[in-house]
Amino acid sequence: DQQVKQNSPSLSVQEGRISILNCDYTNSMFDYFLWYKKYPAEGPTFLISISSIKDKNEDGRFTVFLNKSAKHLSLHIVPSQPGDSAVYFCAASPQGGSEKLVFGKGTKLTVNP
Amino acid sequence: GAGVSQSPSNKVTEKGKDVELRCDPISGHTALYWYRQSLGQGLEFLIYFQGNSAPDKSGLPSDRFSAERTGGSVSTLTIQRTQQEDSAVYLCASSWDRSETQYFGPGTRLLVL
Repeated sequence: DQQVKQNSPSLSVQEGRISILNCDYTNSMFDYFLWYKKYPAEGPTFLISISSIKDKNEDGRFTVFLNKSAKHLSLHIVPSQPGDSAVYFCAASPQGGSEKLVFGKGTKLTVNP
Repeated sequence: GAGVSQSPSNKVTEKGKDVELRCDPISGHTALYWYRQSLGQGLEFLIYFQGNSAPDKSGLPSDRFSAERTGGSVSTLTIQRTQQEDSAVYLCASSWDRSETQYFGPGTRLLVL
């Protein structure tokens, strides 16, 4: 029973365009959400987070949107760069913090030059 | 400064053998987490240490799995009588406190033959 779902295993976009990565969750107790980025043979690195009291958080080229009623969040990367090519994991926490994260299966983003 | 380190980076073992995986967290981080990522899956929470409190072992899949954290720093994850389904990447993360951003190590890739 997956509580955090990333339904697209892969996504390919052109350099300079927008990348939109989607994530759905089922547990209404989740109130803190994070995106991690992972390169091959490396551990995930934190990218951006959002708490349930907000519906948008922006950090440079990265913006996360949260739609609580739809239990959906998305990560927008604009403009996309080849160095953004990685696996992106959506994660959620049920305890108001970032401990015991529940991760999705990840979406592999490829940004083509 | 140094990030989270894990050793070994790769481990091949025979079914039935015991293995020990090591994690050195970022100096000063009080919280330490173990996750595993099986092929094609997201990260799965295993165990969480916070300071001197009793660890949260709720994610350990069986009693063959155990972990300890000595002196509030280095942690060892032990898998006894390994099975083929234990093959995965085992990731360690640490954070300043329980609700802070988790920083991941590169992982140990375990293969049980």
